[in-house]
Amino acid sequence: GNSVTQMEGPVTLSEEAFLTINCTYTATGYPSLFWYVQYPGEGLQLLLKATKADDKGSNKGFEATYRKETTSFHLEKGSVQVSDSAVYFCALTFQTSGTYKYIFGTGTRLKVLA
Amino acid sequence: DAMVIQNPRYQVTQFGKPVTLSCSQTLNHNVMYWYQQKSSQAPKLLFHYYDKDFNNEADTPDNFQSRRPNTSFCFLDIRSPGLGDAAMYLCATSRDHSLADNTDTQYFGPGTRLTVL
Repeated sequence: GNSVTQMEGPVTLSEEAFLTINCTYTATGYPSLFWYVQYPGEGLQLLLKATKADDKGSNKGFEATYRKETTSFHLEKGSVQVSDSAVYFCALTFQTSGTYKYIFGTGTRLKVLA
Repeated sequence: DAMVIQNPRYQVTQFGKPVTLSCSQTLNHNVMYWYQQKSSQAPKLLFHYYDKDFNNEADTPDNFQSRRPNTSFCFLDIRSPGLGDAAMYLCATSRDHSLADNTDTQYFGPGTRLTVL
């Protein structure tokens, strides 16, 4: 079946540190991959996405590359800020029975300390 | 600027007392979704509407129902809430449900946190 696995949190970093949040997936076919971010008290917001192998999604200094050979979509940022503190969800979409479904990972909480 | 609005943000109900959560959108999207998110867990899709067509997930309990009277509004009804139904409920919308486009983005509301006493 289809699934998404993320690294456990919380991840605690100092400001300006390098960030990696690991995400791997299992899927039949060719899913699109997403990273969503959830700030405290808010809904999920799309951070970036990639639709095919070797695509790189990027936004607000965050990047992730769709790696089909390792079934991974790791999120990276070169220099985190306190304002990046949030929960990050990796997700994929897939077709089933004529519709699209989203599968989310369990989320990784990031805490950035000043 | 609000695009997906959920009311109320916090809802407290009693065990077994029916409750309705509301979602509205200003995006004119034809697909609307309801997710349940429990603490430290991934959002779990309950059901979605494609226009007026209702699509229930196989493992969504019968206790959960939904209504979509028009494009802008969608409601989640919990007929007899149990303690296990306490969670954050997220509404989301998407513009295009075409099978030719699997890059569809979902736009989420801020969620309604439900407490069951």
